[in-house]
Amino acid sequence: GESVGLHLPTLSVQEGDNSIINCAYSNSASDYFIWYKQESGKGPQFIIDIRSNMDKRQGQRVTVLLNKTVKHLSLQIAATQPGDSAVYFCAETPDQGGKLIFGQGTELSVKP
Amino acid sequence: EPEVTQTPSHQVTQMGQEVILRCVPISNHLYFYWYRQILGQKVEFLVSFYNNEISEKSEIFDDQFSVERPDGSNFTLKIRSTKLEDSAMYFCASTTSGFQETQYFGPGTRLLVL
Repeated sequence: GESVGLHLPTLSVQEGDNSIINCAYSNSASDYFIWYKQESGKGPQFIIDIRSNMDKRQGQRVTVLLNKTVKHLSLQIAATQPGDSAVYFCAETPDQGGKLIFGQGTELSVKP
Repeated sequence: EPEVTQTPSHQVTQMGQEVILRCVPISNHLYFYWYRQILGQKVEFLVSFYNNEISEKSEIFDDQFSVERPDGSNFTLKIRSTKLEDSAMYFCASTTSGFQETQYFGPGTRLLVL
């Protein structure tokens, strides 16, 4: 079926450490993936995306890795800061219609 | 930086009442979406809209829901007869060309049905 799930519901890291948030997707036809950050009471905020013809993409302090063989997506945040504390969702587009299918979310907590 | 805006930020209504949630997408975007998020759960797709018609809708988007782009800037979601289970955050999103393009989300409307 069409679903995106996350392995861990919560992640607690020390400020300055690197964070890794994982996501498993089930639709092998999905070819576009996005990570969103959601702070309490706000809408999802775009972080980084990746297309299925890539296996890695880097942004500012963030890296997304895509492993199509095992249908796994990860978000790496370097030098995690207190402002990174939020819920992180991965999302996929399973078809050309453009709709996003979201995972359950991982709550990242950064300890100072 | 252009952003999606939504009004109202909060809406409380009685069960059975009609509500209209409003969104102003980013001005040069052509594809519009509504999603909802029940408290503590993931974001769920409701409907996509392009060229003044619905492109796709989910099972959640039943006959009680409708969308409209009444003018060149607003995009609305109407719930005709609200139910308790409609209580959620409703997010509007927009993108330039739809497929494989970043969807930018608004801040959401928190709907509470009593």
